[in-house]
Amino acid sequence: DAGITQSPRHKVTETGTPVTLRCHQTENHRYMYWYRQDPGHGLRLIHYSYGVKDTDKGEVSDGYSVSRSKTEDFLLTLESATSSQTSVYFCAIRGRGESPLHFGNGTRLTVT
Amino acid sequence: SQQGEEDPQALSIQEGENATMNCSYKTSINNLQWYRQNSGRGLVHLILIRSNEREKHSGRLRVTLDTSKKSSSLLITASRAADTASYFCATDDGSGNTGKLIFGQGTTLQVKP
Repeated sequence: DAGITQSPRHKVTETGTPVTLRCHQTENHRYMYWYRQDPGHGLRLIHYSYGVKDTDKGEVSDGYSVSRSKTEDFLLTLESATSSQTSVYFCAIRGRGESPLHFGNGTRLTVT
Repeated sequence: SQQGEEDPQALSIQEGENATMNCSYKTSINNLQWYRQNSGRGLVHLILIRSNEREKHSGRLRVTLDTSKKSSSLLITASRAADTASYFCATDDGSGNTGKLIFGQGTTLQVKP
């Protein structure tokens, strides 16, 4: 694995509660991404970051926010979790140029 | 929006046989990538093919790209039980950012020993 850790690996939470997922990298890569994976939809981009404090929205950003105060950490926050946000969340990092994505092992989030 | 559509959705073969998976996409691309996902794990990059390339090899993998048909195929030769996984194609969104990918729904490959 390319020095990328997601925490927690599993979480169950109730509708309406805030949730923060953490992605930590040791590769000093500039680019970091949050994807969600759902049956029938493949992976979809939520937010990404191209540097400290530089973030942008992806395809399915509604209901999510992100922060990147350090190169190594990229946080994904669900301000008020909903059942539709039950999913597996993957963080990915990327180096320069045409470097491919390196994925973490995911966080399985269940919103009851 | 779904960019890549993969075919078949599921494939079951015997060890030693070849496995072919196809991917179609809708818009112009700079490159197309293939990833593998083992159960319960993150995706692992297999190969990237640029829009000006027609074929690329990596070990037992052969990828083709036909930009006129907006399609790609992944061939795994002499498959092994360890190749059992889901395989995804992914295209860039045209911005040149190779991390802003649009993934297909994947092909689940089972290789029987």
